[in-house]
Amino acid sequence: KNEVEQSPQNLTAQEGEFITINCSYSVGISALHWLQQHPGGGIVSLFMLSSGKKKHGRLIATINIQEKHSSLHITASHPRDSAVYLCAVGYNFNKFYFGSGTKLNVKP
Amino acid sequence: EAGVAQSPRYKIIEKRQSVAFWCNPISGHATLYWYQQILGQGPKLLIQFQNNGVVDDSQLPKDRFSAERLKGVDSTLKIQPAKLEDSAVYLCASSFSGRILHEQFFGPGTRLTVL
Repeated sequence: KNEVEQSPQNLTAQEGEFITINCSYSVGISALHWLQQHPGGGIVSLFMLSSGKKKHGRLIATINIQEKHSSLHITASHPRDSAVYLCAVGYNFNKFYFGSGTKLNVKP
Repeated sequence: EAGVAQSPRYKIIEKRQSVAFWCNPISGHATLYWYQQILGQGPKLLIQFQNNGVVDDSQLPKDRFSAERLKGVDSTLKIQPAKLEDSAVYLCASSFSGRILHEQFFGPGTRLTVL
């Protein structure tokens, strides 16, 4: 069974700050999925990556397969970025294991 | 493209009662997942279907939980009888199945409160 750890568990930032959320896992994976969960509960896919780096707007995700570690960065953070960020590691046969999430609060 | 549909959105029941949740995945998605998310935790996989076959139900409490996916499209998850610790959000997700891993798409979830 893969252990998926996210850090920090809670994060408070001021608007405009650069934010980093980390995800570590214990067993080799096929891909890693970053998702965002809003207070209402809806979960939205942000990135799926198996190597290197992906960028979408103010969000950047990186993964280091050798170190079994991924980071999600938010540049110029905004209060609307406040949400829970989930990391899920994926394996063959479309299996995913989730971390416990990072709760981000961006203050104006 | 329509997303993953779930109903009901909210349900309040008393312990020992029964409850059922329904999910309709995105058209063409062969893989369907049911997750349980307890407040403050990440989603925990209960059962995974590939078409109408079960891929993984190792974390499904089979003495009280059951799920089916007839005809390989929509799915129902049932709890009978419910316990207090079943209070959670039940999430349905689907993904396209292929040689490479595809992202999951989630429904809005059903928030269950067991009194």
